Formats: sequence, C-alpha cells, structure tokens
Amino acid sequence: QVQLQESGPGLVKPSQTLSLTCTVSGGSISSGSYYWSWIRQPAGKGLEWIGRIYTSGSTNYNPSLKSRVTISVDTSKNQFSLMLTSVTAADTAVYHCARGTVMASMDFWGRGTTVTVSS
Amino acid sequence: DIVMTQSPDSLALSLGERATINCKSSQTVLYSSNNKNYLAWYQQKPGQPPKLLIYWASTRESGVPDRFSGSGSGTDFTLTISGLQAEDVAVYYCQQYYTTPHTFGQGTKVEIK
Repeated sequence: QVQLQESGPGLVKPSQTLSLTCTVSGGSISSGSYYWSWIRQPAGKGLEWIGRIYTSGSTNYNPSLKSRVTISVDTSKNQFSLMLTSVTAADTAVYHCARGTVMASMDFWGRGTTVTVSS
Repeated sequence: DIVMTQSPDSLALSLGERATINCKSSQTVLYSSNNKNYLAWYQQKPGQPPKLLIYWASTRESGVPDRFSGSGSGTDFTLTISGLQAEDVAVYYCQQYYTTPHTFGQGTKVEIK
C-alpha cells in the first residue's frame, strides 16, 4: 500500500518561499503511469488543486498560482516537492500531496501539513 | 477553468435515509473518445485527508461500500448515499479531472438529524 508523507516548515514569513516535500513509501515513484499532485485547503474551506508532475518531469500548474509555483521530483529519493514563492497570509493552509492516475484522479493522499504564513 | 458547483451546501438526514448530492460542471467532462466522464467524488472527515469514493462518475473505488453510488454524464452528476450511516458524516466534494486545473466543487456537508 503506497503511503505519502508531507514535510516542511510549519511557519513561513510573508514574501518568503514555502518549500514542502512529499515522501512516497510502499512503492517506487517511478513505477506505473502515475502523476504526483499538491492540493491545499485553508482552514474550514474547500480544496484547491495546486499542480502535478509526472516522473518524466512534465508539469501542470493552476493558473491562479502558476507564476509562483514550482513542482519537482527526485526519483532517487522517492520524493516530490513544492515551492511557492512570495507567500502571503492567503497561502496559509493545510497542504496535501497525492498520487493520481489518468483513470481515477487522486487515489492516495498524505495526511497533510499545516503551513502558516505570518511574521 | 471548469467551475464545479455542488448543491446543497449542507444537508441533515436521519439514519437510514437517502442522501443526494448534486454537482454541475460549467462545461462537459465527458471525453468522447472513450465515453468516460472524468468526474470523481471524495469524502473528507474532520482532520483527515479526502478519500476517493467514485471515479469516472460511477465507478466505486475498491473497498467503498455499495451504498455509495454515482451517476450522471456530461455536466450534471449525482452522488447518492443509500441508507445513511453515522460514519458517513463528512464533507463530500466532486472534482473534474478532464482538464487542468483539476477543479473541485465547494463541498457538501452531510450531518445526521
């Protein structure tokens, strides 16, 4: 059973860069026709898709964040990462990573990590 | 972007009743080449990540109880819970994965009356 675990700083100052890593266990990040996604959820609110990456390196980003987002993958470490630049309080949220398939969308999710943007 | 709109925002039903949640997309999510609707339903309980219930609009994910069913095509979809159980209290989201960005509905909160 594949498992995903988010990690990274829980507090980021305004205008700085948010960096998170998702570690995949129980299977190789390179096996199968999967993509690897980031999704966020402000407290008490709905889900926002941030973007995804295939292990080929191909990416898709939400246009609302595109100028600030980079998703990368490190197959040697079985990890993929999120960078979000120039953060503001509006970026405060629980950030989830997830595995996706073309057929079924996102079938395995990490539990999420809370990131607060505050000085 | 495809806008996903769910209705109602919340509903409260008695145990054993049928719950019906609607989801409408601003454009079709039906892929004509394979006749599949790229529409998923997720269940999220407090403090937990979303759990995939239904994909391709009507295919139950492995291990999901058969009281959960999905229907619809094109732009109009429904999630039905036949015989509401206490453990079904959650927020339910629809999501289109037809095109990026993969957008979600605003969520429907299901409670026990």
